[in-house]
Amino acid sequence: QVQLVQSGAEVKKPGSSVKVSCKTSGTTFSSYAFSWVRQAPGQGLEWMGGIIPHYETPNNAQKFQDRVTITADEYTSTVYMELSSLRSEDTAVYYCARERRDDYGLDTFDIWGQGTMVIVSS
Amino acid sequence: DIQMTQSPSSLSASVGDRVTISCRASQSIDNYLNWYQQKPGKAPKLLIYAASSLESGVPSRFSGSGSGTDFTLTISSLQPEDFATYYCQQSYSTPPFTFGPGTKVDI
Repeated sequence: QVQLVQSGAEVKKPGSSVKVSCKTSGTTFSSYAFSWVRQAPGQGLEWMGGIIPHYETPNNAQKFQDRVTITADEYTSTVYMELSSLRSEDTAVYYCARERRDDYGLDTFDIWGQGTMVIVSS
Repeated sequence: DIQMTQSPSSLSASVGDRVTISCRASQSIDNYLNWYQQKPGKAPKLLIYAASSLESGVPSRFSGSGSGTDFTLTISSLQPEDFATYYCQQSYSTPPFTFGPGTKVDI
């Protein structure tokens, strides 16, 4: 059974950084890309960026280009997302998700982590 | 970036109702469209991929249709466990992947 298990909730001060982990099991880690999607309270889903672990080349949304760092550790099958210069608007649940690509290049987020709540407050 | 819109933003329905949710892309995305269901406090769950393909394990009362810019998610007979928020998402032109704003289905 494929599982993505994320690290626990965090409370951070404005201006600091947070690093969230996503440990995978039951899947061939290097065969997939993984993305990070966030959801502010009462809001919709927002894609932040992703990575193909085998190539270690992240692909980030323009909005987060300067603040987000996505990395992967093939030895522990874990993906990380670090967000810097935190502000109150970054308060959200952060999800990791596995990207499944079909023969036509369509990407689907087929497996999701349980989510990590990050609260940014002074 | 491709913008996604959904209508309605919310709807009220009863068990057994047929429910239809619309999703529109700001430009043609062929059939590169996925649908997710999200319940409160839970991660999204994939329902439909490639506009009309049912994900394994998803009940057959869920179906998707459309191509180009206009898409539809249909629940043929609403069940109590279907009360949730539904999101469409395009993967035609990435990055970024973009989601619709969601449609909340409640009683």
